Amino acid sequence: GAGVSQSPSNKVTEKGKDVELRCDPISGHTALYWYRQSLGQGLEFLIYFQGNSAPDKSGLPSDRFSAERTGGSVSTLTIQRTQQEDSAVYLCASSLAGTSGNIQYFGAGTRLSVL
Amino acid sequence: AQRVTQPEKLLSVFKGAPVELKCNYSYSGSPELFWYVQYSRQRLQLLLRHISRESIKGFTADLNKGETSFHLKKPFAQEEDSAMYYCALYTGRRALTFGSGTRLQVQP
Repeated sequence: GAGVSQSPSNKVTEKGKDVELRCDPISGHTALYWYRQSLGQGLEFLIYFQGNSAPDKSGLPSDRFSAERTGGSVSTLTIQRTQQEDSAVYLCASSLAGTSGNIQYFGAGTRLSVL
Repeated sequence: AQRVTQPEKLLSVFKGAPVELKCNYSYSGSPELFWYVQYSRQRLQLLLRHISRESIKGFTADLNKGETSFHLKKPFAQEEDSAMYYCALYTGRRALTFGSGTRLQVQP
């Protein structure tokens, strides 16, 4: 595709439900990142995939959050038993490699609202 | 741990006025600094990075290791510069560390 694609663009869910957010990176990009953008809080790193290496999960806020990347391409971020504080815009980015100087390209994000 | 600080949540200037968006970082090693911009209803995109030492859309930023700063500057602001600006730090260990962002409003 022309850019990083995320779906859905908006998701409204009830507290306690599970949600899945999808990211389709730019073809050929080996590195994939998930961030969370909360109002007034900037971008918070969540998880990072680089090729076939074990992902860096150090940014996940709780064990309710998990992510996987299948076939080195599409990634899914899953939030279990959603809480109201999970409401935010979830951004995905990809880059050619997770090394210095590589530009990260961002998707349009998924706006999650937990009622 | 690394940290990026953008002290101003909102910066409002008039068209034609100079602009300086402040960014300070804390990191003991050799950092790589970036500025990302998000225009209204658009996705986050790279504006410039210090290793390129380039000027994009009239903006420049110089890395000052002594002051641990990477302020973004433009001599004459334009209305189309109105956007959210994020300073980001790369340390080679994982993903980017972002500041909390500064909203720039350029008034006519």
